[in-house]
Amino acid sequence: GQQVMQIPQYQHVQEGEDFTTYCNSSTTLSNIQWYKQRPGGHPVFLIQLVKSGEVKKQKRLTFQFGEAKKNSSLHITATQTTDVGTYFCADSSNTGKLIFGQGTTLQVKP
Amino acid sequence: DADVTQTPRNRITKTGKRIMLECSQTKGHDRMYWYRQDPGLGLRLIYYSFDVKDINKGEISDGYSVSRQAQAKFSLSLESAIPNQTALYFCATGYYNEQFFGPGTRLTVL
Repeated sequence: GQQVMQIPQYQHVQEGEDFTTYCNSSTTLSNIQWYKQRPGGHPVFLIQLVKSGEVKKQKRLTFQFGEAKKNSSLHITATQTTDVGTYFCADSSNTGKLIFGQGTTLQVKP
Repeated sequence: DADVTQTPRNRITKTGKRIMLECSQTKGHDRMYWYRQDPGLGLRLIYYSFDVKDINKGEISDGYSVSRQAQAKFSLSLESAIPNQTALYFCATGYYNEQFFGPGTRLTVL
């Protein structure tokens, strides 16, 4: 079935450094959603990308959807300790089912 | 008040016991979902329901059953719990463009 691969699994950065997590699929993604889960918390929706090549920004976060709709990325500029958590991508079809990637856990050293 | 609530928040049970996890939502959405989260595996869909009379299996439904008692309530049962069902369980509601997650139930099966 549909699989969504996310890398890296873990990333440790110094505060102020940039961070990127990548989401890849061997088949075309319908839409891509990104979620953030703080330690001990639950996933919280960040954004949905729908169009091929789409780029969206939320303050220091930049989300991209690949031209072929087979990959996506989340880039955080100048990380802060508040960015700590696990970031998930998910393939979102019109059926409402989400197929999640394995997640990237970000640690930020102050 | 939280839009999606789950009870219990933590539960320790023994192999072979029947256990029910409950979920309620005040978002007014028709669609509800149950996921389990295991380290390194992301979130995997167990069951989902698009309305009270519609129940569908997800990726990993074996060993689980669900009941949709009302639009706002969706419960997950483990008929005979086994240790590899030890995990963090999330209920969610929403549409194809965004899901709202409950706080999670941490289940340990000894």
